[in-house]
Amino acid sequence: GAGVSQSPSNKVTEKGKDVELRCDPISGHTALYWYRQSLGQGLEFLIYFQGNSAPDKSGLPSDRFSAERTGGSVSTLTIQRTQQEDSAVYLCASSSGTRLGEQYFGPGTRLTVT
Amino acid sequence: AQSVTQPDIHITVSEGASLELRCNYSYGATPYLFWYVQSPGQGLQLLLKYFSGDTLVQGIKGFEAEFKRSQSSFNLRKPSVHWSDAAEYFCAVGGSQGNLIFGKGTKLSVKP
Repeated sequence: GAGVSQSPSNKVTEKGKDVELRCDPISGHTALYWYRQSLGQGLEFLIYFQGNSAPDKSGLPSDRFSAERTGGSVSTLTIQRTQQEDSAVYLCASSSGTRLGEQYFGPGTRLTVT
Repeated sequence: AQSVTQPDIHITVSEGASLELRCNYSYGATPYLFWYVQSPGQGLQLLLKYFSGDTLVQGIKGFEAEFKRSQSSFNLRKPSVHWSDAAEYFCAVGGSQGNLIFGKGTKLSVKP
C-alpha cells in the first residue's frame, strides 16, 4: 500500500489478556518505530527496528512488552498480561532508515483494557 | 537527556489571524527539529523539519518555523490561520536512534 497500515484499528481487551498489534510499513522502508500516545504521557518512543534488528529495547515500558520484525517488513508489538495503564493509542512509523529520513506514521491502534 | 517543551497546552485564534506556537528543546549538539500536526482521528503528518543551514524553514500548508540556537527554540508560525488548521501540533527533536522525542503538544482551536 501507499502508506503505513496498522491493525486492528481498535482493540478492547480484558485485563490480564495478551494482545498483538500489527504494523505494515511502507514498502522498502528499512526503519520502523513504535510509539505510544496516552493522555498522561503524551507521545512516547517505545522501540526502533533497523531491518529485523532492535538495537535498544530500553524504551519498552515493562517486560510485558515485546516486539519483533520479520522479513524486514511487518512488525508485531505484543503486550502480555495487559493492565489498565496500557490503554493508549499505539502508533507505528517507518522511514528510509537514515536520521534525515522522514517518518511516516500509521493511523494507530487504540487499545482499551477493561 | 533530550527533551522538548511546548508551554501552551491550548491556543485559540480567530480565523485570518496570525499564529505562533512555541517550542523549546534541550539537546547537547545540533538538533534535528520537527513539527508534526495531528488532526482529529488522523495520523501524524510532518509539517516541516530543520537539520542545518538556513534557520528559517518553510513547510507545507503555509507554515514556517525559525530555529534560534541562543534561545533553544523552534517556534512554528503561520501568517493567516484557516479553520482547517484546527488540530494538535507537536514539536519533536531527533533522538540518538533516529527516533522522535515529542513535546506534549499544543491544541489549536480556530474561531470563525
